[in-house]
Amino acid sequence: SAVISQKPSRDICQRGTSLTIQCQVDSQVTMMFWYRQQPGQSLTLIATANQGSEATYESGFVIDKFPISRPNLTFSTLTVSNMSPEDSSIYLCSVSGQGDYGYTFGSGTRLTVV
Amino acid sequence: AQTVTQSQPEMSVQEAETVTLSCTYDTSESDYYLFWYKQPPSRQMILVIRQEAYKQQNATENRFSVNFQKAAKSFSLKISDSQLGDAAMYFCAYRPAINYQLIWGAGTKLIIKP
Repeated sequence: SAVISQKPSRDICQRGTSLTIQCQVDSQVTMMFWYRQQPGQSLTLIATANQGSEATYESGFVIDKFPISRPNLTFSTLTVSNMSPEDSSIYLCSVSGQGDYGYTFGSGTRLTVV
Repeated sequence: AQTVTQSQPEMSVQEAETVTLSCTYDTSESDYYLFWYKQPPSRQMILVIRQEAYKQQNATENRFSVNFQKAAKSFSLKISDSQLGDAAMYFCAYRPAINYQLIWGAGTKLIIKP
């Protein structure tokens, strides 16, 4: 299965600023997924990112707040813009495995906004 | 709408004993995939086991096995010979065959008592 390197692993940011999270995959993948996991909660899908097209956002998430870049088949970034304390969460990227053998996840980014 | 329900917010088990985590789902699809993921305090989401709906045989991975009851829409996870390293949040997830989106349960926190 694919291996994903996600950076940064954690950050503490001032409100009003932006943070860009990076995910690098060791193989080419068509679809990448970005999730938010609020403390003690399950995962919520933010958007699906396909290479060469605009990301598809889930209800409640907008491109202005969470712009996504997908420049090639091995890399994607998620930016959390104009942050507020409510954005404090774990953010995870994920890719689907070949042959539907589950999904692989990055190690997550723990974001704290103060 | 497709939903996944994990009715046990927390479970505890004595080390070396067996524990079963429950998961039910609601779907009108006949072809789909089911997953159990483990998330230890490190935040890394780890695939524990997966099941294809068209397979009647229950999936097994070492000490982990599932009881898949398609008619009842039930997908429980049994952990045998529980070890301290099994302590984590366990998430049940569903994926219809027609798309790549995962639908997540709320999670069950598993505590292992030494």
